[in-house]
Amino acid sequence: AQSVTQPDIHITVSEGASLELRCNYSYGATPYLFWYVQSPGQGLQLLLKYFSGDTLVQGIKGFEAEFKRSQSSFNLRKPSVHWSDAAEYFCAVGAPGYALNFGKGTSLLVTP
Amino acid sequence: NAGVTQTPKFRVLKTGQSMTLLCAQDMNHEYMYWYRQDPGMGLRLIHYSVGEGTTAKGEVPDGYNVSRLKKQNFLLGLESAAPSQTSVYFCASSWTSGADTQYFGPGTRLTVL
Repeated sequence: AQSVTQPDIHITVSEGASLELRCNYSYGATPYLFWYVQSPGQGLQLLLKYFSGDTLVQGIKGFEAEFKRSQSSFNLRKPSVHWSDAAEYFCAVGAPGYALNFGKGTSLLVTP
Repeated sequence: NAGVTQTPKFRVLKTGQSMTLLCAQDMNHEYMYWYRQDPGMGLRLIHYSVGEGTTAKGEVPDGYNVSRLKKQNFLLGLESAAPSQTSVYFCASSWTSGADTQYFGPGTRLTVL
């Protein structure tokens, strides 16, 4: 079965600084990887996903993520964070015929 | 196109009471899911459905029942609510299984006293 770990529970960055959120997965075959964002009081919204092909994936709101098979990682990045990016971020791993497995989330705080 | 909607948005129950949460989607998705979200626990799958008339257990199914009588609706029932079921409940839908994007509703905040 697949699983995902988000090592950072909370991260604080200054507005305008770069951001990297970590995600490590466990799965024997090529995984289907997702990043979702949850704003306070809202449901989850897909930021980006990786199925195959180019290992650098572009998403909405200026986010990108890189799939590194050798490190079993799918880290989310943004070059310059805006105050509106403050939210909870979830990494998820899936496979055909299986349910998605979500990480426990990373809470992002953006300071002025 | 409303996407995924959930009713109600908030609910307070007393221990032992029953209730049903309604999820509706207008995207003609085959798959529908119910999750609960608790602080520090992420999202945990309660039950899911792979099509009209079918349901299956997820990671934390105890104390919940579900039904999918119509393709667009997925109901989550609590027959005898317990304080441990205080949580935020999310419904989601997708075209296919775990390899596909899931679309989420806005959530229902349930408090059991």
